[in-house]
Parts: sequence; structure tokens; C-alpha cells
Amino acid sequence: EDKVVQSPLSLVVHEGDTVTLNCSYEVTNFRSLLWYKQEKKAPTFLFMLTSSGIEKKSGRLSSILDKKELFSILNITATQTGDSAIYLCAVEADSNYQLIWGAGTKLIIKP
Amino acid sequence: SQTIHQWPATLVQPVGSPLSLECTVEGTSNPNLYWYRQAAGRGLQLLFYSVGIGQISSEVPQNLSASRPQDRQFILSSKKLLLSDSGFYLCAWGYNEKLFFGSGTQLSVL
Repeated sequence: EDKVVQSPLSLVVHEGDTVTLNCSYEVTNFRSLLWYKQEKKAPTFLFMLTSSGIEKKSGRLSSILDKKELFSILNITATQTGDSAIYLCAVEADSNYQLIWGAGTKLIIKP
Repeated sequence: SQTIHQWPATLVQPVGSPLSLECTVEGTSNPNLYWYRQAAGRGLQLLFYSVGIGQISSEVPQNLSASRPQDRQFILSSKKLLLSDSGFYLCAWGYNEKLFFGSGTQLSVL
């Protein structure tokens, strides 16, 4: 059965710290891995990764995919209180119009 | 640009009452549309998806149904709500593997 596992489930750090969020997956016919940030309501798209070893970067956020070891990490450097959110990882496998979602990592940044 | 509207934002309904949540998309045609439910602070569970008018696929057996009467309209319904239907419901449309979400409906069934 296809599955996506995120760790940790929750994380509390202080402003300025660097955090690494993990997403591992077991799916048939992997197509892509996506990261979303959910602050209050609608999840918003962060990154889509399809190739191993190519880092995607947006400001203080970056992400990389390892298709051999079947995981991705999302790094946030110099965290700010505005980074507090649930970070969701999802994997598209095969062509079935679905994303397989992880349970999310709840990140809390303390001032 | 594309936008997605979902309403209402909050809903409190008694057990056994009907439900209708509506979602509309603007700025695109023939989008793939999705209904998700999210448990408190957790990941998303796909309920329904649609690739075209009148085409609905259900992912989990449940007390809910979905309809797509128009190209850019997706409706989530129930004839009789259960306590277990409480949750946060998200509508989304998809493009090139990316999903764009509505602002969600927090449903409380009492």
C-alpha cells in the first residue's frame, strides 16, 4: 500500500533556529513529491520535486529529493514566527489524479 | 489568474440535518476538482475527485456525496449528517500535479 510518512509530527524551536522536516515515501511508480504550507486555512504550494539531488530554493526554504532512499527534506533557515504552520508532504504516484498525503509536521516557532 | 471560492467558512449543523458545501473555480476550464477532509492539525484525506462534469470518483465509503453540475462547480453533500462528519473540508483544483486549495469549511456536527 502506498504511504507517505512525515517526521517529526510536531516541532517547537526558537526564532532563528534552523529546522529540517522529513518526508519518506513508499509508492508505486513515483511521479513527484510536493511540499505545502498550511498556516490557518488553505494549504499553499511550496515546492514540487521530481529529480534526485536537485535542490529547490525559495528564500529561507529549500528542499531536496532522494529517489534512491525514498525521502525528501524541507529545510528552513533563520526561522521566524511566521514560519509557524503545518507542513504537508504529498506524493503523486502513477496517473490516478490523486496525491498521497503525509500526516504533516506541526512547526511552532517561539519568539 | 485562477481563483477558487469555497463557502461557507464555518458551519454548525445538528445530527441528521442535510449538508451542502459549494466550491467554484474561476479562470480555468475543465479543471480537476477535489474534496478533502482534514482531521484537526493533520494530513488530508481525499474524499472525491472529478475530471469533468458529472464525473465523480469516491475514495472512501462514507455518508457524503459529491456532484459537479457545471464545469467549474463542485458540491459536497449529505442527506443526514453524522457526528463523525465533523471536520475541516477543503476544496481544491489541480493543474500539472499541483493543487490549489480553497479556504476551507469548518463543519461542526452537534
